[in-house]
Amino acid sequence: NAGVTQTPKFQVLKTGQSMTLQCAQDMNHEYMSWYRQDPGMGLRLIHYSVGAGITDQGEVPNGYNVSRSTTEDFPLRLLSAAPSQTSVYFCASTDRYSYEQYFGPGTRLTVT
Amino acid sequence: RKEVEQDPGPFNVPEGATVAFNCTYSNSASQSFFWYRQDCRKEPKLLMSVYSSGNEDGRFTAQLNRASQYISLLIRDSKLSDSATYLCVVHYGNKLVFGAGTILRVKS
Repeated sequence: NAGVTQTPKFQVLKTGQSMTLQCAQDMNHEYMSWYRQDPGMGLRLIHYSVGAGITDQGEVPNGYNVSRSTTEDFPLRLLSAAPSQTSVYFCASTDRYSYEQYFGPGTRLTVT
Repeated sequence: RKEVEQDPGPFNVPEGATVAFNCTYSNSASQSFFWYRQDCRKEPKLLMSVYSSGNEDGRFTAQLNRASQYISLLIRDSKLSDSATYLCVVHYGNKLVFGAGTILRVKS
């Protein structure tokens, strides 16, 4: 039981490049989320999904896309990277009954 | 006003001290409450859920005051390993809202 896994752990992009951050969970949770965390700030919700085929925007969705084709996977796509997207990105999976949330180890992204 | 507010600290305490953090929330319809712990450059991890009657887990005690809309975390007999950022989390509807965190530094 791996819980929530994220790849890659680190990534450096140039402005304008696109990429996909991968997230997978093996707990059969319907609810998954993507957050970003910047120094001195709390976690900010980017997008979330309450089940396969259903996604919705969070607090800071601009510049990011998501899809949820399976219960297990919830990739986050950066469409055209900007320096303002330099951050640590966490994927999380939530138990729909207790609302306890489990996080992946994070992806540290730098955009130059 | 932020939905979830915490004193950012840092709280600097000696080993063995008792320390308490408060967290206030603005949505009276909030349903569930949690404390998470985040170590430097690591992912947040669930410390404990907070129940209406209050609950204890070893040296950690969590309390909820719905009337005043705050939750608290008490840590007794602080250890060096308790040094971390403690995040208050509030759930309502489909949302989980995180506070910005309180930094605790336990010193020998």
